[in-house]
Amino acid sequence: AQTVTQSQPEMSVQEAETVTLSCTYDTSESDYYLFWYKQPPSRQMILVIRQEAYKQQNATENRFSVNFQKAAKSFSLKISDSQLGDAAMYFCAYRSAIKGGSEKLVFGKGMKLTVNP
Amino acid sequence: NAGVTQTPKFQVLKTGQSMTLQCAQDMNHEYMSWYRQDPGMGLRLIHYSVGAGITDQGEVPNGYNVSRSTTEDFPLRLLSAAPSQTSVYFCASSYGAGGSYEQYFGPGTRLTVT
Repeated sequence: AQTVTQSQPEMSVQEAETVTLSCTYDTSESDYYLFWYKQPPSRQMILVIRQEAYKQQNATENRFSVNFQKAAKSFSLKISDSQLGDAAMYFCAYRSAIKGGSEKLVFGKGMKLTVNP
Repeated sequence: NAGVTQTPKFQVLKTGQSMTLQCAQDMNHEYMSWYRQDPGMGLRLIHYSVGAGITDQGEVPNGYNVSRSTTEDFPLRLLSAAPSQTSVYFCASSYGAGGSYEQYFGPGTRLTVT
């Protein structure tokens, strides 16, 4: 079974600075997807960024980028120019790319990010 | 598109009561799932469905039933509520094989069992 580990339960960052959130996972599969979801106090789960395991290039979405190290099974999220609105819980998640397995998202326990003005 | 909708947003039950959490999506997604979120536990999969008439168990299925009679709807039934089922429940949907594999989440239902 796949597992996702977020070892840091909380982090803080100063506004406008850069912060990196770590995530490791364990799987025997070669093809899968990795996601970072953000959950602000509104409780809504919002997709931040995703990475396909077969792509070597790291995904980027505006101020958000990932460092995907497939051999190390590591998937960290970098937030540049942090904004107050980035304060939220962040969840790393794994999803199999095998047909019939795509409905199962495996989540880490989450990490609370605080942004200080 | 409304996306994924859930009702109710909040619910308080007494131990032993039953209820149904409603979930609907208007994106014609094949896959629908139910998760529960507890403090320090992340989101855990309760049940999922790969299409109308097909459901299967996730990581924490005990005490919950689901059915999928239409593509749009995926209700979650609590048969006899227990305090351990106090949680926030999320419904999610996604495309099938060959799709984007992104899951779209509803706004959640906060359930308290006393």
